[in-house]
Amino acid sequence: GAGVSQSPRYKVAKRGQDVALRCDPISGHVSLFWYQQALGQGPEFLTYFQNEAQLDKSGLPSDRFFAERPEGSVSTLKIQRTQQEDSAVYLCASSRGLVSENEQFFGPGTRLTVL
Amino acid sequence: DQQVKQNSPSLSVQEGRISILNCDYTNSMFDYFLWYKKYPAEGPTFLISISSIKDKNEDGRFTVFLNKSAKHLSLHIVPSQPGDSAVYFCAARDSGNTPLVFGKGTRLSVIA
Repeated sequence: GAGVSQSPRYKVAKRGQDVALRCDPISGHVSLFWYQQALGQGPEFLTYFQNEAQLDKSGLPSDRFFAERPEGSVSTLKIQRTQQEDSAVYLCASSRGLVSENEQFFGPGTRLTVL
Repeated sequence: DQQVKQNSPSLSVQEGRISILNCDYTNSMFDYFLWYKKYPAEGPTFLISISSIKDKNEDGRFTVFLNKSAKHLSLHIVPSQPGDSAVYFCAARDSGNTPLVFGKGTRLSVIA
């Protein structure tokens, strides 16, 4: 497919478990963003990559959250020692270039539920 | 402190009528504004955008108006169709390829 894909679509974790969420951006897209969307809220920024470089991680809520994009394509968001407040939909978005008018294309999200 | 506010959580409109969704922002550095549409279990899909140098952008049934002095934008859908029923998010960013700042969304229901 030509769009952004994310896996898994749904993840249930016990509190304290580590999870890894994958994002496959649109081929050739330079920029990749991760957002967290809590129930009833809009998406909130977590982190941003330009190719393999993580240029902004100011939105990561704690040091339990870690993201990487080692080859400038696929990205993984890892959450260590999950807590109930981590339950949310995690959205990945990619955009073609670097200018502000480039729209961001979103994947379907991974719904994480921490019990 | 919410920088992008959508004060109406929901809106119900009859098919064929105009839907008007509103958005206010507080950050005067924002210079690019977007509307996204979201269906359940899907990611947000880009709908329409406007740069701060314009006050109106039109694309088919969708028009976005920007009032910079009031820090207010609105999305007009006319005529509204049942397939427009979704959650609409207003988003903004400042210059460059910066992260989007989203509102909480407005759920639009178009009744046949």
